[in-house]
Amino acid sequence: DAKTTQPTSMDCAEGRAANLPCNHSTISGNEYVYWYRQIHSQGPQYIIHGLKNNETNEMASLIITEDRKSSTLILPHATLRDTAVYYCIVYGLGNQFYFGTGTSLTVIP
Amino acid sequence: GAVVSQHPSRVICKSGTSVKIECRSLDFQATTMFWYRQFPKQSLMLMATSNEGSKATYEQGVEKDKFLINHASLTLSTLTVTSAHPEDSSFYICSANAYSNQPQHFGDGTRLSIL
Repeated sequence: DAKTTQPTSMDCAEGRAANLPCNHSTISGNEYVYWYRQIHSQGPQYIIHGLKNNETNEMASLIITEDRKSSTLILPHATLRDTAVYYCIVYGLGNQFYFGTGTSLTVIP
Repeated sequence: GAVVSQHPSRVICKSGTSVKIECRSLDFQATTMFWYRQFPKQSLMLMATSNEGSKATYEQGVEKDKFLINHASLTLSTLTVTSAHPEDSSFYICSANAYSNQPQHFGDGTRLSIL
């Protein structure tokens, strides 16, 4: 079963930063936090992942709290094409890759 | 980057037909692949874990005789929906990764419609 909880939906103004929270209070020491997004009728797209340090790539930044019980995905300058369902997934060696309900992000012009 | 190819992208067939969906890792070897099903406006539901050279591991409630999985090589896993019925109509998606601590890469999905 998914070990994450996310808000069902969020809105963000175009050009502003989108901050998507995720709670994973039961995360184990060897489990990573992964973020994916899914645009309608497509397969999920990998965004970023991390273990305990904050991470940044060309798509987004990932902020993980010190106790690792929650994280935030940051899209620094949201565009209309960022409208999608965003999934936060906790995954470690030998585990299954379970999806939670995700957050439906709508970027508003 | 790593690419997972899924084929076909769309299938429409009559009730009672068996349908095979292929999932290929194009530029890496995958000992494990995952198969998901997604109904409209819902999240992805894990159906089974496909293990190269051994039997698949099915999630609770998923009929292994209904959804046959074969992972005969390190780059190919197939899902066969046997004797498909309208309730099997769904979006089927596979994923794979090269190593367990690396991201899963997903195919573009197969939309199955049973008439």
